[in-house]
Amino acid sequence: ETGVTQSPTHLIKTRGQQVTLRCSSQSGHNTVSWYQQALGQGPQFIFQYYREEENGRGNFPPRFSGLQFPNYSSELNVNALELDDSALYLCASSAAGLETQYFGPGTRLLVL
Amino acid sequence: QQQVKQSPQSLIVQKGGIPIINCAYENTAFDYFPWYQQFPGKGPALLIAIRPDVSEKKEGRFTISFNKSAKQFSLHIMDSQPGDSATYFCAASGNTGFQKLVFGTGTRLLVSP
Repeated sequence: ETGVTQSPTHLIKTRGQQVTLRCSSQSGHNTVSWYQQALGQGPQFIFQYYREEENGRGNFPPRFSGLQFPNYSSELNVNALELDDSALYLCASSAAGLETQYFGPGTRLLVL
Repeated sequence: QQQVKQSPQSLIVQKGGIPIINCAYENTAFDYFPWYQQFPGKGPALLIAIRPDVSEKKEGRFTISFNKSAKQFSLHIMDSQPGDSATYFCAASGNTGFQKLVFGTGTRLLVSP
């Protein structure tokens, strides 16, 4: 059984650019959630995908968007990057109807 | 109402000691309370979780105590080891139709040899 994987591990972008982060869910999990973790803070919920649709969203602007694919993998897209978007982006997967979420190692994004 | 308040911010104990980390919540719709351990540069790893229908749960050296009336829960680490040095997060989620975890601000634990 493979765990949650994310790519890339690190990324450097400049303000105004766009970025795509990728996540493969744990085997047997069909729900993917994305979180943003600023340095020294707890993760903040961005949104969740189930059956290829967004079924819940946190307090993040529309320039944060996502996709889920038929194999349950997911992408997080962020447009018009801002300096404050610098953070660790975490993907978590879970089985439908179960609360337990398993996190990947994260993608460290630095916006200059 | 969506906040989970966590304390202390940092904690230093000697090897073999019992660090205790506390969390409090306001939203009575929360019904699932996990604890995560995070090492630098890694994602959070699930340690143990509890529901409000029990007051205590033990898994290995980790124990959660839950006080529903006070809306508080805590993590105890028995016989702590230097390898337990990490940041610990409490979290909560409720019946919102989707599984959104609300995290505390984290406690940085250092276990000295």
